[in-house]
Amino acid sequence: DAKTTQPNSMESNEEEPVHLPCNHSTISGTDYIHWYRQLPSQGPEYVIHGLTSNVNNRMASLAIAEDRKSSTLILHRATLRDAAVYYCIPNYGGATNKLIFGTGTLLAVQP
Amino acid sequence: ETGVTQSPTHLIKTRGQQVTLRCSSQSGHNTVSWYQQALGQGPQFIFQYYREEENGRGNFPPRFSGLQFPNYSSELNVNALELDDSALYLCASSLAGGATNQPQHFGDGTRLSIL
Repeated sequence: DAKTTQPNSMESNEEEPVHLPCNHSTISGTDYIHWYRQLPSQGPEYVIHGLTSNVNNRMASLAIAEDRKSSTLILHRATLRDAAVYYCIPNYGGATNKLIFGTGTLLAVQP
Repeated sequence: ETGVTQSPTHLIKTRGQQVTLRCSSQSGHNTVSWYQQALGQGPQFIFQYYREEENGRGNFPPRFSGLQFPNYSSELNVNALELDDSALYLCASSLAGGATNQPQHFGDGTRLSIL
């Protein structure tokens, strides 16, 4: 069965970089890797996605391992507003772009 | 650019009743997906609508049904409400049907409580 593994929780200090890991060992070559986050009392928010090579946008960077069995979301300078649950979501070859959420990583940011 | 809006924000119903939740997609988006999020859990996919047709369904019973309108807005209907239906219901819009490289944009949800 397809399985995604993330740490339940992580802590960071404000203005320091944060590396959020994700293992997705059963991913296939055509499955995109998506990251979303959910702040308290809000709907999930798209962060970034990629297929093979590393990706950057204004919010974060996504580093994808060469064998694609793992990826890391990088927040370059954490702020208090980045405290949220972060979900790593590989597509796992579905016919639709439905998102299969796990329990994610709860990121706490200390001032 | 107008984001995804959902109504109502909160709703209280009793067991056995029926409910309709509404979603306006982000401007230009033609695909709407619905998710159910129980307390402390990640969202669970209910179904997706593309060009007014159902385009994929999760593991939810037939009493969960939906519609998409020509302007791409959508409704989620739940009949014969049960206590376990208490949850946050999220709507997300995206482009291009089931294209797996398209990000989804979520509303802030409707909190449904069943008494």
